[in-house]
Amino acid sequence: GEDVEQSLFLSVREGDSSVINCTYTDSSSTYLYWYKQEPGAGLQLLTYIFSNMDMKQDQRLTVLLNKKDKHLSLRIADTQTGDSAIYFCAETHGGATNKLIFGTGTLLAVQP
Amino acid sequence: NAGVTQTPKFQVLKTGQSMTLQCAQDMNHEYMSWYRQDPGMGLRLIHYSVGAGITDQGEVPNGYNVSRSTTEDFPLRLLSAAPSQTSVYFCASSYSVGRWSYEQYFGPGTRLTVT
Repeated sequence: GEDVEQSLFLSVREGDSSVINCTYTDSSSTYLYWYKQEPGAGLQLLTYIFSNMDMKQDQRLTVLLNKKDKHLSLRIADTQTGDSAIYFCAETHGGATNKLIFGTGTLLAVQP
Repeated sequence: NAGVTQTPKFQVLKTGQSMTLQCAQDMNHEYMSWYRQDPGMGLRLIHYSVGAGITDQGEVPNGYNVSRSTTEDFPLRLLSAAPSQTSVYFCASSYSVGRWSYEQYFGPGTRLTVT
């Protein structure tokens, strides 16, 4: 079955870079997503990458995709206290973008 | 636009009670879905709908019913609540064409406790 795994917790200092990792199993995934969830709120789409890409950069965010190892990472440059949240990666199930399989989420704690 | 709205925000039920979680969107999205979020398990898809009159099961459908009589509304019904259904429930919607959907917009969530 499909499984998306993430480490549960990451702590960084303000101004440092954060790297959140994710591994997935569905080789037919077409898109891979990163969502951010702030306390008491729903999920907000941060960025996504198409499966035929290796890298995507969007301002402070860099997504790296290693399709061979089914490994996805999100790098946040110059991490700020406002970046403290839970970050979820998600893969498309069976290639259908209207069915997402989410990881367990990584809690990012940014220390001032 | 209000986006995706969910009511209620919080609910406590006794085992065996029934209730309906409401979800509405005003973006004219075809695709709507319900997820539950449990600690250490991420979000899991309960049911989804690709348009009015069309629903399908997700990963964890047991104990839940849905219907989609209008494009705007996608209620989730618990017929006989169980403690295992204690969770945070999120509704989402997106523009979609068949199996392909674009960015999913999530509602603020409903926190349900079943005692």
